[in-house]
Amino acid sequence: KQEVTQIPAALSVPEGENLVLNCSFTDSAIYNLQWFRQDPGKGLTSLLLIQSSQREQTSGRLNASLDKSSGRSTLYIAASQPGDSATYLCAVPYGQNFVFGPGTRLSVLP
Amino acid sequence: ETGVTQSPTHLIKTRGQQVTLRCSSQSGHNTVSWYQQALGQGPQFIFQYYREEENGRGNFPPRFSGLQFPNYSSELNVNALELDDSALYLCASSLDAGKRAEAFFGQGTRLTVV
Repeated sequence: KQEVTQIPAALSVPEGENLVLNCSFTDSAIYNLQWFRQDPGKGLTSLLLIQSSQREQTSGRLNASLDKSSGRSTLYIAASQPGDSATYLCAVPYGQNFVFGPGTRLSVLP
Repeated sequence: ETGVTQSPTHLIKTRGQQVTLRCSSQSGHNTVSWYQQALGQGPQFIFQYYREEENGRGNFPPRFSGLQFPNYSSELNVNALELDDSALYLCASSLDAGKRAEAFFGQGTRLTVV
């Protein structure tokens, strides 16, 4: 059974800091891993998709890495801004669905 | 290219009633999945439809049912609503049912059961 965990559960940082969010999964036989952003009460916005053959994927100030053998992925956010405040979830495909982590709730203070 | 759209955005129902939630998949996508997200938790898989057939189901009772139409839009039906069904319901569409496909989510439907 695939289980996904994320640490920290919550994070509060001042504007401008670089930060790292962590995602771990128990079954390393994954095809890809996807990072999402969720604003309160809203749907999920896809941020980055890393295929199993890739080690990193970048989009603007976001960089995600994937280490299948250790069952870990990290999302790096550079020069954080108040607009980055949201919950960040990672997910891996398992069977016909995605298994999600519980998310990291990020607050960036001005 | 249109994104995934869900309707309604919010609704309130009474325990025991039935509800239908709707999802229009992204243009060109033939796979729709439904998820339930309780407050403070990650989304939980309900079921997936691929080319109008159910293609996988999570640990949800039969009173959760669905449909997918020829245009690949989808409905989620919940009968005999319970208070614990209060949640955000998310629809995701993908290009196909393969495990490499990227999923795109709608904005969700917030269901409150009183």
